[in-house]
Amino acid sequence: DAGVIQSPRHEVTEMGQEVTLRCKPISGHDYLFWYRQTMMRGLELLIYFNNNVPIDDSGMPEDRFSAKMPNASFSTLKIQPSEPRDSAVYFCASRARDRGTGELFFGEGSRLTVL
Amino acid sequence: QQPVQSPQAVILREGEDAVINCSSSKALYSVHWYRQKHGEAPVFLMILLKGGEQKGHEKISASFNEKKQQSSLYLTASQLSYSGTYFCGTEGRYSSASKIIFGSGTRLSIRP
Repeated sequence: DAGVIQSPRHEVTEMGQEVTLRCKPISGHDYLFWYRQTMMRGLELLIYFNNNVPIDDSGMPEDRFSAKMPNASFSTLKIQPSEPRDSAVYFCASRARDRGTGELFFGEGSRLTVL
Repeated sequence: QQPVQSPQAVILREGEDAVINCSSSKALYSVHWYRQKHGEAPVFLMILLKGGEQKGHEKISASFNEKKQQSSLYLTASQLSYSGTYFCGTEGRYSSASKIIFGSGTRLSIRP
């Protein structure tokens, strides 16, 4: 299996631009998570999906952030407009089963720098 | 609510032991442990599900005290490959299914 695939691996953009991060979960996994990692705040859960449906988006910082999962094999995290404080590594992770019994498989992350 | 990890950082010589603690203010269903190398993604180590459960993984093991809402990760006879940042992730007993919240991490450095 190819694992969780994220793109782009690195993104440098200017403040005010739209940023779209992409994720392909492991085939057959029912759960998909978006995390953001910074030195100051650690690994923050932004949103997660179950069977393509958003279950909990309480971690999404502002209306500038949105996430979609149009099908079982693809999800996007969009930031519009981007700001320098959005600079972070964004991880997508997928999980096969419900709580307690399934580990998280992380993608390699998308490192975002907003100038 | 984010679990609390301690210590924040540990420096060991190869062969020494370490304990990393994770505590939560909420009742827990399970605790996950992950290790992250610099510039890489977190990698799963183990899940603990039941109060008092202990699991092992080579020379890395963990315990889970459900009543105290605490978990500890034990690294014995540490090797250079154990260096990295260790995260605990918790699933609350009464929170949304599958919501895993991570602690701030413990940075472990192993010196030859």
